[in-house]
Amino acid sequence: QVQLVQSGAEVKKPGASVKVSCRASGYAFTSYDINWVRQATGQGLEWMGWMNPNRGNTGFAQKFQGRVTMTLNTSISTAYMELSSLRSEDTAVYYCAREYSTSGDLGWFDPWGQGTLVTVSS
Amino acid sequence: DIQMTQSPSSLSASVGDRVTITCQASQDINYYLSWYQQKAGKAPKLLIYDASKLETGVPSRYSGSGSGTDFTFTISSLQPEDIATYYCHQYENLPITFGLGTRLEIK
Repeated sequence: QVQLVQSGAEVKKPGASVKVSCRASGYAFTSYDINWVRQATGQGLEWMGWMNPNRGNTGFAQKFQGRVTMTLNTSISTAYMELSSLRSEDTAVYYCAREYSTSGDLGWFDPWGQGTLVTVSS
Repeated sequence: DIQMTQSPSSLSASVGDRVTITCQASQDINYYLSWYQQKAGKAPKLLIYDASKLETGVPSRYSGSGSGTDFTFTISSLQPEDIATYYCHQYENLPITFGLGTRLEIK
C-alpha cells in the first residue's frame, strides 16, 4: 500500500540543525510532490513547503525561507527536510505528506507520514 | 495568503447527532478544499477532497459541500470513533493554509 515512513524522534540544542527523512513506498516516488507540515503540541497544522521529486524544484512558506532545505534521494525513494538555526519554537511534530491531484495543479495530502517529534532544548 | 476561518473551534455532541463544521476562505478557492481527521497522537487522515468527494474507504456518514468561499463538513450520525480534531485545507493557491481545527467531543 502507499506509505510514507519517517525517521525517529530528535532532540537538538538551540542553533543546531535537524534533518528528517521520509521514505516512500507503494507508488512511483517521482510522480507526486512531497509536502512538509509541522504541528506544535496542542496547536494546528502549519505548512512548510513542497518538493517535486521529478524536477527537484522546491517552494517554501515565507516564514521558513532561508532556514529550510528540502532534498531527496530518488534511488531509495526518500525525501529529506532540514531545518537550521533551531529555536525552542521549532519544537513540533514534523510530517511529510504526498500531494495528490487530478488537475495537475495543487492537490490534497494523502497519505501522511507518521510524524517525527523534534524537540529543541538546551 | 488565503485565510481559512474554521468554526466552531470545539464541539460537544451526543452519539447519533448530526454534526456540522464550517470553513470560510478569505477569497474564492473554487472547490480546492479538503478535510482531515486527526486522532490524538496520530497523523492527519484524508476524509474529503475537492470539497465534496469522499476518499475511498471513508465511511459514508462523512460528507462535504460548498464552493467558492463557504464550505461545510458534516457527520450525519456521530459515532464514538469520530472523536478527533478536524481540519480544512485549501489548495487553490500557495502558500497552502489550514483552518485552526475543530475539536470534537462526545457528550
